[in-house]
Amino acid sequence: GAGVSQTPSNKVTEKGKYVELRCDPISGHTALYWYRQSLGQGPEFLIYFQGTGAADDSGLPNDRFFAVRPEGSVSTLKIQRTERGDSAVYLCASSLGGMDNEQFFGPGTRLTVL
Amino acid sequence: QKEVEQNSGPLSVPEGAIASLNCTYSDRVSQSFFWYRQYSGKSPELIMSIYSNGDKEDGRFTAQLNKASQYVSLLIRDSQPSDSATYLCAAPSNSGYSTLTFGKGTMLLVSP
Repeated sequence: GAGVSQTPSNKVTEKGKYVELRCDPISGHTALYWYRQSLGQGPEFLIYFQGTGAADDSGLPNDRFFAVRPEGSVSTLKIQRTERGDSAVYLCASSLGGMDNEQFFGPGTRLTVL
Repeated sequence: QKEVEQNSGPLSVPEGAIASLNCTYSDRVSQSFFWYRQYSGKSPELIMSIYSNGDKEDGRFTAQLNKASQYVSLLIRDSQPSDSATYLCAAPSNSGYSTLTFGKGTMLLVSP
């Protein structure tokens, strides 16, 4: 079956611009996660959705970052006033939720802020 | 804040050997652990999950968990050059069992 998909695969933007990154989870997965990964590091948690609601947004670095999942499926990560330090690979993962926490990752979006 | 520690490597092994990858974590509460494989330029791929003390085998992979020592390992038998990748260990975060804290990963190099 189809895995997690993310678009775009690459995004280059200028400092100060607004960007949106999209994630389409595995069909039937109620839990959706956003992580970001910098070179040489493991993925770093940003936000977790269970259904439509953000169950845990403790990883969002500041209020420039926001994410939505209005219908409980596709999610969009939004970054306002991008900074060069936001450059990273943004990874989305999904799982069945509940006690089954096996998370499956999408291919990621490489964000470069010039 | 939970910490998940891994040796960054690289760990170099010859083809056909057993590769042993280790991970320690900072608390005694974690109930589940995950190993991901990440090829260069690709996203992490789940290869093993383990929830109970002891060993769990899946093909050439064996995960070992020792909760008392706060230690989890991954053994890869009959290592192949295609196993060359970074291996990430992950455990549920302090903020909730649903989110994961990852180690920095261990790079494995399998030489033909």
